[in-house]
Amino acid sequence: SQQGEEDPQALSIQEGENATMNCSYKTSINNLQWYRQNSGRGLVHLILIRSNEREKHSGRLRVTLDTSKKSSSLLITASRAADTASYFCATDENAGNMLTFGGGTRLMVKP
Amino acid sequence: DAGVIQSPRHEVTEMGQEVTLRCKPISGHDYLFWYRQTMMRGLELLIYFNNNVPIDDSGMPEDRFSAKMPNASFSTLKIQPSEPRDSAVYFCASSLGAGKTQYFGPGTRLLVL
Repeated sequence: SQQGEEDPQALSIQEGENATMNCSYKTSINNLQWYRQNSGRGLVHLILIRSNEREKHSGRLRVTLDTSKKSSSLLITASRAADTASYFCATDENAGNMLTFGGGTRLMVKP
Repeated sequence: DAGVIQSPRHEVTEMGQEVTLRCKPISGHDYLFWYRQTMMRGLELLIYFNNNVPIDDSGMPEDRFSAKMPNASFSTLKIQPSEPRDSAVYFCASSLGAGKTQYFGPGTRLLVL
């Protein structure tokens, strides 16, 4: 199976609610990244968390990393319809040169 | 900087034809990646370059696929001959350093009839 598996695969919430997406991975990493993809567009980097960090914030985004469980979560607070997109986690497995992307979580925020 | 530039944005071709996808990475970036995205298989890394040198092409599906990076500002992904199962969105991305933030182009949506 893939490094960087997201959970859930799809999530539908109302505007104003919080959205939480989870990611699990298998190998050691230097960092874990979250990306967003709007329909028909390329991926856009959201946030990077290093292996020695446990939590990071950027605006309405909060990312946590638990290296003992090899898992991360992305929380979007006070969601907006414009947050509707697919969200991917990516890891530099075995501290390598490339990133391995998970299958993504499709988030729909209803106005 | 204009970001990663890909061309064409859309390509429709017939089975058996040669397809060439082009990418201009962000100036100064030393890594370039080619990905393919489909509903069935998600985002797959095909090949990546470091300082214009191909490092890992294990993701290239078969010999019909080839990629080159003749200089730091240009790369091509060629499919010859193309098949309907090659229909996908092909993304190019670049980064400054290994395992760092990747900047994606808008993608080329390929349809092989």
